[in-house]
Amino acid sequence: DAKTTQPPSMDCAEGRAANLPCNHSTISGNEYVYWYRQIHSQGPQYIIHGLKNNETNEMASLIITEDRKSSTLILPHATLRDTAVYYCIVRVVADSWGKLQFGAGTQVVVTP
Amino acid sequence: GAVVSQHPSWVICKSGTSVKIECRSLDFQATTMFWYRQFPKQSLMLMATSNEGSKATYEQGVEKDKFLINHASLTLSTLTVTSAHPEDSSFYICSAREGAGYEQYFGPGTRLTVT
Repeated sequence: DAKTTQPPSMDCAEGRAANLPCNHSTISGNEYVYWYRQIHSQGPQYIIHGLKNNETNEMASLIITEDRKSSTLILPHATLRDTAVYYCIVRVVADSWGKLQFGAGTQVVVTP
Repeated sequence: GAVVSQHPSWVICKSGTSVKIECRSLDFQATTMFWYRQFPKQSLMLMATSNEGSKATYEQGVEKDKFLINHASLTLSTLTVTSAHPEDSSFYICSAREGAGYEQYFGPGTRLTVT
């Protein structure tokens, strides 16, 4: 699976949009981009995933560049409860195991 | 949404003893389950993958005789840490996947402390 690069930390003001970047320059054509987050001392939570089109759900939006070498997770209106480590993962969709390899992630701190 | 539970949520055991951690899918059938370990201020590290009724597949560097995984049913997987040592103290997290679904549902984790 392709490696990802994320900034180690980000601060965000409550109520503002949080834009979390992820570089995956070696991504292959059959690899999806997944985003998970982990609130302190809890299990990770799925946020969103996509292949090449932009995606949106009730939690966030995922913007993938046309060359698919990078993506941005957007939390439209950050709240204090969004403080967590956010992980960007790329995974082969046809992988029958469905394994996820977590990197270091980005520690997002939302401040009042 | 799909719920995965873990029991216990935390456990303290003495060095040399064994401890079992349960992972259950509460409202779906988990054909594949995964076990992760997370040390403080570090990311999750995949330990092993198991399919119901089959032997687990361990990641490189993970001792299969030390970390025994049993995925006996479609709703239950157990991780037994045998002859635990203080360096095994960690946060153990399981996840489960239903069929060929893309999403993994994670449990809340189990904090193991070996004294």
